[in-house]
Amino acid sequence: SQQGEEDPQALSIQEGENATMNCSYKTSINNLQWYRQNSGRGLVHLILIRSNEREKHSGRLRVTLDTSKKSSSLLITASRAADTASYFCATSGGANNLFFGTGTRLTVIP
Amino acid sequence: NAGVMQNPRHLVRRRGQEARLRCSPMKGHSHVYWYRQLPEEGLKFMVYLQKENIIDESGMPKERFSAEFPKEGPSILRIQQVVRGDSAAYFCASSPLGQLGDEQYFGPGTRLTVT
Repeated sequence: SQQGEEDPQALSIQEGENATMNCSYKTSINNLQWYRQNSGRGLVHLILIRSNEREKHSGRLRVTLDTSKKSSSLLITASRAADTASYFCATSGGANNLFFGTGTRLTVIP
Repeated sequence: NAGVMQNPRHLVRRRGQEARLRCSPMKGHSHVYWYRQLPEEGLKFMVYLQKENIIDESGMPKERFSAEFPKEGPSILRIQQVVRGDSAAYFCASSPLGQLGDEQYFGPGTRLTVT
């Protein structure tokens, strides 16, 4: 299975702190994407990093990709209560569909 | 420019009934994907369609489930003779070109409850 696995499953931090989530996958990929899902809602695309990239930034988000270890990390800096959500990594290999991990549930305490 | 639209948002069906879930992709998008999400789990791919064609249905159960994306109108995911195990959130996503690893734009989902 190409499915990614996020770690930790749940994370609780104080507002203002940084949050780091990790994702591991099993097969070679074209790219890796991170999505956010608020409770009971659809997914929102956050950032895409291609297999030949090592790091990418978008606002308060920083994503790294290590293809030798088949892992990626998502860092959210200066977290806010509104960042409370589930975060999923999704990988794309040789197919058009995405393979999603099981997600990290982030809670940011005001 | 409206995003991906799904309806209904919530659907309750008794065991044995049929469920029809609709998805209208973003304007200009001709590639549609359906995913299923069980409680506390990630999304699982079901089927990928282009207009009038099923491209990849490898994630869809062989029985009771079918999907279509007609030339006109929304994509429809149909579940016949629903069972309690079909209770889940079903998400539709669309992309403009269907290129490998495209960003996909997700709808708000349809939450199916089978009683």
